[in-house]
Amino acid sequence: GQNIDQPTEMTATEGAIVQINCTYQTSGFNGLFWYQQHAGEAPTFLSYNVLDGLEEKGRFSSFLSRSKGYSYLLLKELQMKDSASYLCAVKDSNYQLIWGAGTKLIIKP
Amino acid sequence: IAGITQAPTSQILAAGRRMTLRCTQDMRHNAMYWYRQDLGLGLRLIHYSNTAGTTGKGEVPDGYSVSRANTDDFPLTLASAVPSQTSVYFCASSDREGANVLTFGAGSRLTVL
Repeated sequence: GQNIDQPTEMTATEGAIVQINCTYQTSGFNGLFWYQQHAGEAPTFLSYNVLDGLEEKGRFSSFLSRSKGYSYLLLKELQMKDSASYLCAVKDSNYQLIWGAGTKLIIKP
Repeated sequence: IAGITQAPTSQILAAGRRMTLRCTQDMRHNAMYWYRQDLGLGLRLIHYSNTAGTTGKGEVPDGYSVSRANTDDFPLTLASAVPSQTSVYFCASSDREGANVLTFGAGSRLTVL
């Protein structure tokens, strides 16, 4: 079967750095996405990786290793507004999105 | 309208009743999707439509139906609601170009008693 694994919950301190990991086992690979979802709101797109390496976008970076079936989302200079759930999703060989259950990130002052 | 509009925002429904969740987008996206989100689970695709006039089944289609009469609208119907359909429903759309990034509506919270 296809599977996306992410930690259920993480806690970090305002101003710090946090890394959210995602491992996947899917039938084929055509890209990996990270979405942010604030409580009670819709998911919004953060990043997309299709090749190995690091993609940097402001305070957020996303890394991909296709050989290891692994990605991480790195959040720097954490702000209280970063408290949200972070969803990892992989596009499989049929171009269908497989979603992880999400990582709830709690930021403490 | 800017983006995707879903209605209703929330609804409590008696089991056995028929319910239609509405979804309208103004981005002229070709593809539209219906997902359900349940605690502890990833988003699960119910139905999708790659273009107006066509629809397809996702991962959990049973008990749901959709139609795509035009580009903008993609309603989801529960013919006879059951308690296991209690969930938050998200409509999404994409232009299917490049990475095929999804834009989501604000969601409809449905409770079936």
